[in-house]
Amino acid sequence: RKEVEQDPGPFNVPEGATVAFNCTYSNSASQSFFWYRQDCRKEPKLLMSVYSSGNEDGRFTAQLNRASQYISLLIRDSKLSDSATYLCVPKGSARQLTFGSGTQLTVLP
Amino acid sequence: DAGVTQSPTHLIKTRGQQVTLRCSPKSGHDTVSWYQQALGQGPQFIFQYYEEEERQRGNFPDRFSGHQFPNYSSELNVNALLLGDSALYLCASSLGLAGNIQYFGAGTRLSVL
Repeated sequence: RKEVEQDPGPFNVPEGATVAFNCTYSNSASQSFFWYRQDCRKEPKLLMSVYSSGNEDGRFTAQLNRASQYISLLIRDSKLSDSATYLCVPKGSARQLTFGSGTQLTVLP
Repeated sequence: DAGVTQSPTHLIKTRGQQVTLRCSPKSGHDTVSWYQQALGQGPQFIFQYYEEEERQRGNFPDRFSGHQFPNYSSELNVNALLLGDSALYLCASSLGLAGNIQYFGAGTRLSVL
């Protein structure tokens, strides 16, 4: 089993839609969780950190289910500018970040 | 406040050559990590430097080596380049070994012909 698994998509949704991505992880010792967004041919940029059961920042909500070892990202009222690849990063005691392969989102006008 | 800067932005090499990539961390950060990102994949951890020493290493061969300087900047060297080394090389900086949040530079896109 991969350390981090994400549905690669692509998810194509209309503007204003709500979309959710799931990410499963294998390391039960993971303590911190991050969602990064990466625009085409650009660097990953931190979108959200999750240290407890979840986090909310405007239109973005992350929820953590430790028992089932998955974390989700919900985007409400999608904007064209939300089009990107979303990378899930669970972090345990290791110093490096272990990235999933990402979920590609395209928001259509 | 300067973010993470990497140079060069693009590079074209041929098989067997050697390459050096450079990274300056975000102001105030002292730890540098390097990642390789192949097309369609997430970044893969190469190694991390702190206090001028390699502290952690991912599953990459010895052809990949690095260095960190007293001013916290870092270099990634790759010897005997293979076609499969073509990728986006990302540098990330953080504060301290326990620093959770890493900030990425724009990367160096390496093409090996």
